[in-house]
Amino acid sequence: DAKTTQPTSMDCAEGRAANLPCNHSTISGNEYVYWYRQIHSQGPQYIIHGLKNNETNEMASLIITEDRKSSTLILPHATLRDTAVYYCIVGRNTGGFKTIFGAGTRLFVKA
Amino acid sequence: SQTIHQWPATLVQPVGSPLSLECTVEGTSNPNLYWYRQAAGRGLQLLFYSVGIGQISSEVPQNLSASRPQDRQFILSSKKLLLSDSGFYLCAWKGVDRPNTEAFFGQGTRLTVV
Repeated sequence: DAKTTQPTSMDCAEGRAANLPCNHSTISGNEYVYWYRQIHSQGPQYIIHGLKNNETNEMASLIITEDRKSSTLILPHATLRDTAVYYCIVGRNTGGFKTIFGAGTRLFVKA
Repeated sequence: SQTIHQWPATLVQPVGSPLSLECTVEGTSNPNLYWYRQAAGRGLQLLFYSVGIGQISSEVPQNLSASRPQDRQFILSSKKLLLSDSGFYLCAWKGVDRPNTEAFFGQGTRLTVV
């Protein structure tokens, strides 16, 4: 499974959009991009995933570049409860799908 | 709907004692199951995964073992705990009926070996 690179931490003002970048330059053609977040001392929570097209759900939007080597997770109106560590991972669902989590981006949403 | 249960939530064990953490999944059949460990301030490290009963794959050499005695039960064990086994242990499941589905995590067990 491909590795990802994310900034260590980011700040965002409450009510503003939070844009979290991720580089996955070695992604394979059949690998999806997944985003999870982890609030302190809890299990990771799934946010969104996509292959090549941009995706949107009730939590966030995912923008994937045309060459698929990077992506951006967008939280359109960040709240204090969005403060968490955000993980960008890539993987495919073959029989032994192995999700490799890096250190993620620690997002601080400030009032 | 599917749910995942993991217990206990916290555990303090002396060095050299045995360990057994249990994870069960409800509402799905034949899931892929995973055990992760997270050291303080670090990312998640995959320890074991299982694609079926009795099928266990180990990702890293360590003092731990895993077993899957039933389709929706995944157990993490150790015969003798080490200080380095302390950490936050997470169980996760992933469906295989839809391609490239997301994984769902339990709430974790915080293990402190003293």
